[in-house]
Amino acid sequence: AQSVTQLGSHVSVSEGALVLLRCNYSSSVPPYLFWYVQYPNQGLQLLLKYTTGATLVKGINGFEAEFKKSETSFHLTKPSAHMSDAAEYFCAVSDLSGGGNKLTFGTGTQLKVEL
Amino acid sequence: GAGVSQSPRYKVAKRGQDVALRCDPISGHVSLFWYQQALGQGPEFLTYFQNEAQLDKSGLPSDRFFAERPEGSVSTLKIQRTQQEDSAVYLCASSLKLGNTIYFGEGSWLTVV
Repeated sequence: AQSVTQLGSHVSVSEGALVLLRCNYSSSVPPYLFWYVQYPNQGLQLLLKYTTGATLVKGINGFEAEFKKSETSFHLTKPSAHMSDAAEYFCAVSDLSGGGNKLTFGTGTQLKVEL
Repeated sequence: GAGVSQSPRYKVAKRGQDVALRCDPISGHVSLFWYQQALGQGPEFLTYFQNEAQLDKSGLPSDRFFAERPEGSVSTLKIQRTQQEDSAVYLCASSLKLGNTIYFGEGSWLTVV
């Protein structure tokens, strides 16, 4: 079974400050890892994903994440927060071995960006 | 259309009423998924189709939940005899094929009163 833990249901940063959203996963097989963003009353939008290869993954809107197998982590970062980054962020893990790319999501982190 | 389209966007149902939620995936997408997102939670997998075949329905919470995709395109999620705990956002998603990026719709918000 797979699971995802997102530490901190709410994170608040100042505009221009570093954004760090934490994600740890549990998987019995090599995982595929994802970060999604959800703006109010909208669906989920893919920020970035790790499948194989380079462990540092760059996504849209200046976000990036690093897959660290030894730490079972996939933390999301952005060097400088912008007001438009305020949203809910979900980390997810997928296992293709089961015949489908079923995603298991964390409970989400609400990011607040303050002036 | 350009994205995954869901209807209705908002539905209020009386307890015991049946509801049907529709999903139009991106044209040509083989894989289709339904997720349930309760307030303050992450989405949880309900079921998965590859074309018209329902390959995984392990996430459906009870036999009151039923999904179909008869022609391998549009899908309908039906909930019979709705209960208050069914109140959630129901997200549909599609991907071109297995392993490709999954695209989500904006969701159908169901409130059972």
